[in-house]
Amino acid sequence: SSELTQDPAVSVALGQTVRITCQGDSLRSYYASWYQQKPGQAPVLVIYGKNNRPSGIPDRFSGSSSGNTASLTITGAQAEDEADYYCTSRDSSGNHPVIFGGGTKLTVL
Amino acid sequence: EVQLVQSGAEVKKPGESLKISCKGSGYSFTSYWIGWVRQMPGKGLEWMGIIYPGDSDTRYSPSFQGQVTISADKSISTAYLQWSSLKASDTAMYYCARRIAADGRFDMWGQGTMVTVSS
Repeated sequence: SSELTQDPAVSVALGQTVRITCQGDSLRSYYASWYQQKPGQAPVLVIYGKNNRPSGIPDRFSGSSSGNTASLTITGAQAEDEADYYCTSRDSSGNHPVIFGGGTKLTVL
Repeated sequence: EVQLVQSGAEVKKPGESLKISCKGSGYSFTSYWIGWVRQMPGKGLEWMGIIYPGDSDTRYSPSFQGQVTISADKSISTAYLQWSSLKASDTAMYYCARRIAADGRFDMWGQGTMVTVSS
């Protein structure tokens, strides 16, 4: 399958921990990458590979993977983390070099 | 500084042609894939295609194959996305992004080009 499935919306109380998930067959073979997009801005890479953060991304962001599910965890969510989050992966069928999840809107209460 | 700078916003009429650009700087442009991503108003990210400027190897998403053309001019470190006949449904923000081949991540994004198609 060449699809990645994300929950459309998730909310978290300020300072609490939230996990955003991404499901798809390709995740059994490839790691997901995660992107944060705030309104009116370009996406920004926040997690890639097994659990890697680009320079400048706070360490409250972390990634994990199990079976066909990849997760982005924010430990101690801040108001500025309110954004849309997208996962991407390669497609294990070989038909699509890139596949995107539908995105999750994170609200910080 | 590594960056991708895209051309400015466009307003076009249905049926018109358009070519938007994405200029890379601060790195070896020919050594990294460049991808194009569409975001329709209020919607998610959609992968359109990728190109390797080193040899112009290009792959398209089936959803966009035949609808757009992706190209690159390595002499000026610029990738392009073009339409021969725009439709109102092409109204969207278009992003270019640098792709790391080893793990497929898009590590650097352009600022986006807004394309509006309206009669």
